[in-house]
Amino acid sequence: KQEVTQIPAALSVPEGENLVLNCSFTDSAIYNLQWFRQDPGKGLTSLLLIQSSQREQTSGRLNASLDKSSGRSTLYIAASQPGDSATYLCAVIQGGSEKLVFGKGTKLTVNP
Amino acid sequence: DTEVTQTPKHLVMGMTNKKSLKCEQHMGHRAMYWYKQKAKKPPELMFVYSYEKLSINESVPSRFSPECPNSSLLNLHLHALQPEDSALYLCASSQECRLCTGELFFGEGSRLTVL
Repeated sequence: KQEVTQIPAALSVPEGENLVLNCSFTDSAIYNLQWFRQDPGKGLTSLLLIQSSQREQTSGRLNASLDKSSGRSTLYIAASQPGDSATYLCAVIQGGSEKLVFGKGTKLTVNP
Repeated sequence: DTEVTQTPKHLVMGMTNKKSLKCEQHMGHRAMYWYKQKAKKPPELMFVYSYEKLSINESVPSRFSPECPNSSLLNLHLHALQPEDSALYLCASSQECRLCTGELFFGEGSRLTVL
């Protein structure tokens, strides 16, 4: 059974810092990995999707990497801003499945 | 347009009521999903529709009844719910079909409170 773990559970940083959020998964037979952002009481916003054949994806100040063999992904946020404060969720789709398996998320607070 | 629209945003219902949650997308996606999310927890999959056919039911109680009238619409009919069913209900859609391996796009959710 696929399990997704996100470390740390919470992170507080001053504005302007670069930071890394970690995601690990137990079964490397994934189709893709997706990073989401969720603001309190709101839906999920897709940030980056990495296909299993890819190593990384970039969007603006965000860069996500994938090491499928070691079961790890990282989300790098450059020059953090207070508006980046949210919960960040990592999720994988298992090979041959339609199910997205989520980690429990990292709650990020960026202090002005 | 990468929008998934959910209505209503908030719903309060009694345990004897019948209500429905609605979800709509116009991205041409052929896979649609219902997720349930409790506070401070990740979303949990409830149902998956692929080409308007129910492909996954995660052993959800029958008081939740999904319906996919066409490729753009997804409903969740609610009847005789319990207070523990109070949660944020999220709809999502994706482009890929049979294997549904494409990017998922989520709506803003419907906040359900059962009294």
